[in-house]
Amino acid sequence: GIQVEQSPPDLILQEGANSTLRCNFSDSVNNLQWFHQNPWGQLINLFYIPSGTKQNGRLSATTVATERYSLLYISSSQTTDSGVYFCAGPPYNQGGKLIFGQGTELSVKP
Amino acid sequence: GAGVSQSPSNKVTEKGKDVELRCDPISGHTALYWYRQSLGQGLEFLIYFQGNSAPDKSGLPSDRFSAERTGGSVSTLTIQRTQQEDSAVYLCASSAPSREQFFGPGTRLTVL
Repeated sequence: GIQVEQSPPDLILQEGANSTLRCNFSDSVNNLQWFHQNPWGQLINLFYIPSGTKQNGRLSATTVATERYSLLYISSSQTTDSGVYFCAGPPYNQGGKLIFGQGTELSVKP
Repeated sequence: GAGVSQSPSNKVTEKGKDVELRCDPISGHTALYWYRQSLGQGLEFLIYFQGNSAPDKSGLPSDRFSAERTGGSVSTLTIQRTQQEDSAVYLCASSAPSREQFFGPGTRLTVL
């Protein structure tokens, strides 16, 4: 089945720093999503981004579907950005079930 | 409702007992998904409903696991004869068909 690889697996930042998280897919997906899992375990929707670039405040995401990857940019990081970031996408013609990467665990230090 | 809700939030049970987990999707969402998050396996798909039908059950780990959905809304995931390896957080998500999925807060299941 499809494989989703996220990098880096762990990241420690000083508050105010910028970062880029990457998500690679072994096969084509559509309707790619990025999530932030907060310390209470809730998955928070960040972006629904099948292709192109979107921005939301200090966060932005770019998906290049033809090359099977997506990037999540975090600028001017804050301690509240800490947590695990997941990307996920449904393989084509498989009903929409999301295949998740293993996540990037981000820790932002004050 | 405003978001996906799940109950109970926590469930502790003894090995061999049956458990039922409930999911209330966002109103109007016809697609409903169950996932499981455990330390060793990450986030994995269990079952997908479109309306009351389950066209994809490929992620259910054994025949001890079953799920149903009634009225195109509420879904129940049942685990029979629970085992310690069933301990995990069970997450439910809903969406319009093939659109963005929104997740509930999860049910943390602990099997002693």
